[in-house]
Amino acid sequence: RKEVEQDPGPFNVPEGATVAFNCTYSNSASQSFFWYRQDCRKEPKLLMSVYSSGNEDGRFTAQLNRASQYISLLIRDSKLSDSATYLCVVNPFGGYALNFGKGTSLLVTP
Amino acid sequence: NAGVTQTPKFQVLKTGQSMTLQCAQDMNHNSMYWYRQDPGMGLRLIYYSASEGTTDKGEVPNGYNVSRLNKREFSLRLESAAPSQTSVYFCASNRDRNTEAFFGQGTRLTVV
Repeated sequence: RKEVEQDPGPFNVPEGATVAFNCTYSNSASQSFFWYRQDCRKEPKLLMSVYSSGNEDGRFTAQLNRASQYISLLIRDSKLSDSATYLCVVNPFGGYALNFGKGTSLLVTP
Repeated sequence: NAGVTQTPKFQVLKTGQSMTLQCAQDMNHNSMYWYRQDPGMGLRLIYYSASEGTTDKGEVPNGYNVSRLNKREFSLRLESAAPSQTSVYFCASNRDRNTEAFFGQGTRLTVV
């Protein structure tokens, strides 16, 4: 079982829609959690860190459920520019390497 | 701010040739990483360096070697390239194990 699993999508949504992505992780001792965004043929870039209490940044909300070992990302009022692949990233306890999910593809259409 | 700089951006190799991918960061980060990204496989860790002077294998180290030249630089070497090493390679760095990682722009490598 891969350590970080995501629904690959693609998610096709109209502008203005709300879309949610989920991600599950296998290592219950994982300590750090992130959502990254990757545009086509570009490097991954941090979208937001995910804290136990949940956090919000504008239209984006991230939540962590340690008991069920999943992370979510909610995007409200989707924009065309939100079209990208969203990567769920987990750092296991004691480990150095960030473990990446395979990504969820989002396409926002006019 | 340059951040993480990788060279080259594109490379075509013949099977059996060798090459070194260069990576440098100017953020005074302690840890550096090499990932490869293939369609349908996501990002997979090749090697990492937790701190200057140390290197460790990741998920897919076979066919690669690395050198942490100093705190800023971390190179990846392919001694005898194979078509299976055709991929996009990303270098990344972070301050420590629990902080966000910053990525270079990637190297698109084709082995024919």
